[in-house]
Amino acid sequence: GENVEQHPSTLSVQEGDSAVIKCTYSDSASNYFPWYKQELGKGPQLIIDIRSNVGEKKDQRIAVTLNKTAKHFSLHITETQPEDSAVYFCAASEWSQGNLIFGKGTKLSVKP
Amino acid sequence: DGGITQSPKYLFRKEGQNVTLSCEQNLNHDAMYWYRQDPGQGLRLIYYSQIVNDFQKGDIAEGYSVSREKKESFPLTVTSAQKNPTALYLCASSIRNEAFFGQGTRLTVV
Repeated sequence: GENVEQHPSTLSVQEGDSAVIKCTYSDSASNYFPWYKQELGKGPQLIIDIRSNVGEKKDQRIAVTLNKTAKHFSLHITETQPEDSAVYFCAASEWSQGNLIFGKGTKLSVKP
Repeated sequence: DGGITQSPKYLFRKEGQNVTLSCEQNLNHDAMYWYRQDPGQGLRLIYYSQIVNDFQKGDIAEGYSVSREKKESFPLTVTSAQKNPTALYLCASSIRNEAFFGQGTRLTVV
């Protein structure tokens, strides 16, 4: 079955700096890679996703890159703000079938 | 408001008791899921249901049971067989692959 590894487990940056979170997956059949943000006391919320037919996707200050050959994908947050502080989860699955397999999460702290 | 509603938000269970966690959705999604979240462990799949009256075990189903009698509802029972039930339980529904999560029920054994 699929296995998703996520690094680092904690990340602290200064406001305005960039943050990068990396994930690797094991199942070459996976072709859908979402990222979720979980704020304190809330459930995870989808922030961006990518399918394997593209290598990069951007949405304002966040971007996701995918290297299908190496089986890894990354979340990039630029110009970080204190409200970006949260736990971020990556996940992988087959599009329209299969269940999402999540990484263990990265706790991001943005210091003002 | 459309979304996933979990209740209660906090639940305390005595050892040896069964407890049931509620999950309701009004998104008209066919698929629903239960995840368990422990610190540093990410989200682990307990049970999932792709359609009414059908459900499948996830990776950590032992000590849990579910039912799916209605499309909107997917309750989870934590039985006394679950030896370490203290955790945050998250319910989700999905369309294609995008999952929508509730706010969770935090279960504590007292």
